[in-house]
Amino acid sequence: EPEVTQTPSHQVTQMGQEVILRCVPISNHLYFYWYRQILGQKVEFLVSFYNNEISEKSEIFDDQFSVERPDGSNFTLKIRSTKLEDSAMYFCASSEGPGGNQPQHFGDGTRLSIL
Amino acid sequence: GESVGLHLPTLSVQEGDNSIINCAYSNSASDYFIWYKQESGKGPQFIIDIRSNMDKRQGQRVTVLLNKTVKHLSLQIAATQPGDSAVYFCAEILYSGGYNKLIFGAGTRLAVHP
Repeated sequence: EPEVTQTPSHQVTQMGQEVILRCVPISNHLYFYWYRQILGQKVEFLVSFYNNEISEKSEIFDDQFSVERPDGSNFTLKIRSTKLEDSAMYFCASSEGPGGNQPQHFGDGTRLSIL
Repeated sequence: GESVGLHLPTLSVQEGDNSIINCAYSNSASDYFIWYKQESGKGPQFIIDIRSNMDKRQGQRVTVLLNKTVKHLSLQIAATQPGDSAVYFCAEILYSGGYNKLIFGAGTRLAVHP
């Protein structure tokens, strides 16, 4: 069964450094998402992406965050200058279409630890 | 405001029993709901979905019930097995511009005992 894959599984970074989290969505999916989950809390929406542009973003997704689809298969999340509070699990998801009837499928996440 | 919440943070059941996990949502305009299962160290795994024009949907050993009158969603797992032990999240789709922003509930931990 096709799946969303994320790398790395764990990233440890010094505060203030840039990180790039990588995702390979399911191949025929057109809609891409990033979510995060702080330890012990619920999953929170960060951003959605379609047709090479951001379609929606949350208040968490400030100027320090950016997303990119650099080629036909990868989807990345960049945090320019990491803060301690960015420590969380980051999940990538993809869906075949929009419209409220297409489930989003998630990867197993990248655990980001900021020191 | 937007919120999806869960009544019970932890549910313990005996193997073979049926489990019922509940969820309340607050946005009456939401039209699509999904249940996800999250095992330790893994991402949310799609279990079953339901649209707002339905009140019941069945899958393999799972049933989702939707009561729009009281804005309540439940997940029923028949003959619960140890492999069902996980955290279960309900999620609500806000069709905001058509891009399926998922709003997750806080999660219920299901513990299955032999």
